Amino acid sequence: DSGVTQTPKHLITATGQRVTLRCSPRSGDLSVYWYQQSLDQGLQFLIQYYNGEERAKGNILERFSAQQFPDLHSELNLSSLELGDSALYFCASSGSVGTVSGNTIYFGEGSWLTVV
Amino acid sequence: AQTVTQSQPEMSVQEAETVTLSCTYDTSESNYYLFWYKQPPSRQMILVIRQEAYKQQNATENRFSVNFQKAAKSFSLKISDSQLGDTAMYFCAFILFEYSGGGADGLTFGKGTHLIIQP
Repeated sequence: DSGVTQTPKHLITATGQRVTLRCSPRSGDLSVYWYQQSLDQGLQFLIQYYNGEERAKGNILERFSAQQFPDLHSELNLSSLELGDSALYFCASSGSVGTVSGNTIYFGEGSWLTVV
Repeated sequence: AQTVTQSQPEMSVQEAETVTLSCTYDTSESNYYLFWYKQPPSRQMILVIRQEAYKQQNATENRFSVNFQKAAKSFSLKISDSQLGDTAMYFCAFILFEYSGGGADGLTFGKGTHLIIQP
């Protein structure tokens, strides 16, 4: 158990809909990352938050957005869903910037999203 | 931008054998961390081993060890006495070390090596 909690584990929704994925980082971790893993196995970095602030943005679509709340949990919002958005969405967390724990990223079990 | 290359899409070995997975990376930075993650059929991402670039000593975790060659930008994973449970996708990953502030791009992953341990 990595200590990173993601909900829901599985989600099936229709095209055009909106969903929210939730993530609770490991206790004490300040950074939250979101990754997308599609069927071709590639892991794409979407976005990072550090202590409530957006830190870095990767290949995140404009239809997607995220935020990190004061209690450090994070949500990834996916809207106007398309079939191609079907993927495994990982949340990961790490500790304080500039520390060893800050540069080790632990992953949650992922949220399977199927768009039909 | 950093890149990570895993040149072996798939490998298969017999149980109890030793296997080495290759990884090369490209960066102009000098302070970074390298990781190997394991993704079994359950799709969970499990941290296997970590190497700090400033350390010359190769990291070891039980049956897993790395051969870190900084000048060659090479970071291979050796699995000794392989077990059936080692069957998984293995991803090599890179992250820049953050001193303070600034942006971070999270981990850059290779495309993975599918390791199959045969009984």
